[in-house]
Amino acid sequence: KNQVEQSPQSLIILEGKNCTLQCNYTVSPFSNLRWYKQDTGRGPVSLTIMTFSENTKSNGRYTATLDADTKQSSLHITASQLSDSASYICVVSARDSGYALNFGKGTSLLVTP
Amino acid sequence: DGGITQSPKYLFRKEGQNVTLSCEQNLNHDAMYWYRQDPGQGLRLIYYSQIVNDFQKGDIAEGYSVSREKKESFPLTVTSAQKNPTAFYLCASSVLTPGLDIQYFGAGTRLSVL
Repeated sequence: KNQVEQSPQSLIILEGKNCTLQCNYTVSPFSNLRWYKQDTGRGPVSLTIMTFSENTKSNGRYTATLDADTKQSSLHITASQLSDSASYICVVSARDSGYALNFGKGTSLLVTP
Repeated sequence: DGGITQSPKYLFRKEGQNVTLSCEQNLNHDAMYWYRQDPGQGLRLIYYSQIVNDFQKGDIAEGYSVSREKKESFPLTVTSAQKNPTAFYLCASSVLTPGLDIQYFGAGTRLSVL
């Protein structure tokens, strides 16, 4: 069964600090992995998308890594800001699956002053 | 201003009533999707459509219906058969090209039962 597990479930950090969110998946055959940011009460917004051949991708202060061999991804946030407080969702798609995306439950991040 | 527009933002349903959630996109995307999000849960696919006048059931289609009469529009009806409709509903759209099919989401509709 295709699964996406994210950790930690929630995280609180001080403004200006760095943090790393984890995503482990069992989706096969792997096509691509996406990270989304979802503000409370809003729709998710795409941060990065990585295919099998990519092992790192950055979007401003967000850097995603992918290890397709161990089926793990991480999202690193540098110099956190209060506006980074949100839920971060890892999404993995399988090759030839068309519509089917496998969503993690998300990591809820709170950045405090 | 391009994007996906969902309406209403909040919706209340009485027992036995059908309600329809609107989703419109002006991104010229072929594919559109409806998801349900419950607290502490990942998004679950209700229905999706890759072309006008055609749509497919997702993982939790029971109690829901959709139509795709226009490329831009993909309304979702929550029928009285859906016994637990309280949730946050998200509409998304994407191109069909593999690897470029990032889904763009609307702002969501929060449905509650009176």
